[in-house]
Amino acid sequence: DTGVSQDPRHKITKRGQNVTFRCDPISEHNRLYWYRQTLGQGPEFLTYFQNEAQLEKSRLLSDRFSAERPKGSFSTLEIQRTEQGDSAMYLCASSLAPTGNMNTEAFFGQGTRLTVV
Amino acid sequence: AQKITQTQPGMFVQEKEAVTLDCTYDTSDPSYGLFWYKQPSSGEMIFLIYQGSYDQQNATEGRYSLNFQKARKSANLVISASQLGDSAMYFCAMREAYNTDKLIFGTGTRLQVFP
Repeated sequence: DTGVSQDPRHKITKRGQNVTFRCDPISEHNRLYWYRQTLGQGPEFLTYFQNEAQLEKSRLLSDRFSAERPKGSFSTLEIQRTEQGDSAMYLCASSLAPTGNMNTEAFFGQGTRLTVV
Repeated sequence: AQKITQTQPGMFVQEKEAVTLDCTYDTSDPSYGLFWYKQPSSGEMIFLIYQGSYDQQNATEGRYSLNFQKARKSANLVISASQLGDSAMYFCAMREAYNTDKLIFGTGTRLQVFP
């Protein structure tokens, strides 16, 4: 296992279509995060899981967005009825839950770049 | 609310020289962690260095060091002996302890290293 992998790397879709992205974290990592990054900005937190439980969701995650991590391993992020404003890079990261030590960095994948036309 | 500010949209440095990338933060929590990530054109975020709020010494990782000034709420990244491969976007980020696991990122600084 060489790192966090995301699929696809690029996705072009028409407005109104549904899209789904996949993230495979580092195998021993129990925490998984989704971020969104628009042009010229830093990543913004969307949601995170510990094992299969979704522990926090940002208000950025509208009801058109849903994320799952059914078996505590890979995760999917689905966007329904895509809008042009959804065009962004979607980044996935994973980490080990800290055990009294805050120095547990998150490792990121290369992201999925979504373009809604 | 927590906030990370990076005031330098772009920086230039000559190869082999040192460069400092600025980062200031705002938080009311006494326990927090500060991170720097590098994002090359390929898109992935590469972890560079970490500083905990209770760490007594400035963090160092190879050519990277963090100039942590707690009273000023600044956590500047120093890259020594710049290389052409250092050209990328650099993001400062913060995580608050015990409150949330999410990272809050700044807007980034684009560093360009020239020969």
